[in-house]
Amino acid sequence: KAGVTQTPRYLIKTRGQQVTLSCSPISGHRSVSWYQQTPGQGLQFLFEYFSETQRNKGNFPGRFSGRQFSNSRSEMNVSTLELGDSALYLCASSLVRGGSSPLHFGNGTRLTVT
Amino acid sequence: GENVEQHPSTLSVQEGDSAVIKCTYSDSASNYFPWYKQELGKGPQLIIDIRSNVGEKKDQRIAVTLNKTAKHFSLHITETQPEDSAVYFCAASIIETSYDKVIFGPGTSLSVIP
Repeated sequence: KAGVTQTPRYLIKTRGQQVTLSCSPISGHRSVSWYQQTPGQGLQFLFEYFSETQRNKGNFPGRFSGRQFSNSRSEMNVSTLELGDSALYLCASSLVRGGSSPLHFGNGTRLTVT
Repeated sequence: GENVEQHPSTLSVQEGDSAVIKCTYSDSASNYFPWYKQELGKGPQLIIDIRSNVGEKKDQRIAVTLNKTAKHFSLHITETQPEDSAVYFCAASIIETSYDKVIFGPGTSLSVIP
């Protein structure tokens, strides 16, 4: 079974631009969660989608948004990029809601904002 | 809100020795405790997990113990090997009626010296 696929692997953007990251979960997994990973802040929860609905949201500004499609694939969008948005963005899928079952992470998208 | 502390932040052991990483959580409602291993350039991967109705779980060289009264849980790796070198994250999961959330510890960088 294929793992979680995140595209692209690397992105370089300029302040003020916007970016869209993509995540394809493991087949059959209905929950997709997004995390931001930085050296200073560790793994910070962004949001979780289940059956195309956002079920949970972390403490991030409204510039961070996402959506999930009927095939469970998910996208994350960051608008008006800031230097502090430079991070590794990880997507994780799980069979059921993410709090009660193991998370399966992709290898992430490395975003650099200049 | 829920907080997960993890110690030590870095750990260096000789090959063949044991390694222990300890985590504490703040919310007594937490009932699922996974451990993830993150190798360089990859996303975190689940290595073992434990639920609150179990005190200990073992999988070959890896074991996890849970003390619900003290609200702490630990990862034990015996007979360490160079391929165990990675960053390890503990997590505590809160499952509530309206949502659930996974909170990660800040991570422990383990180095196994050949």
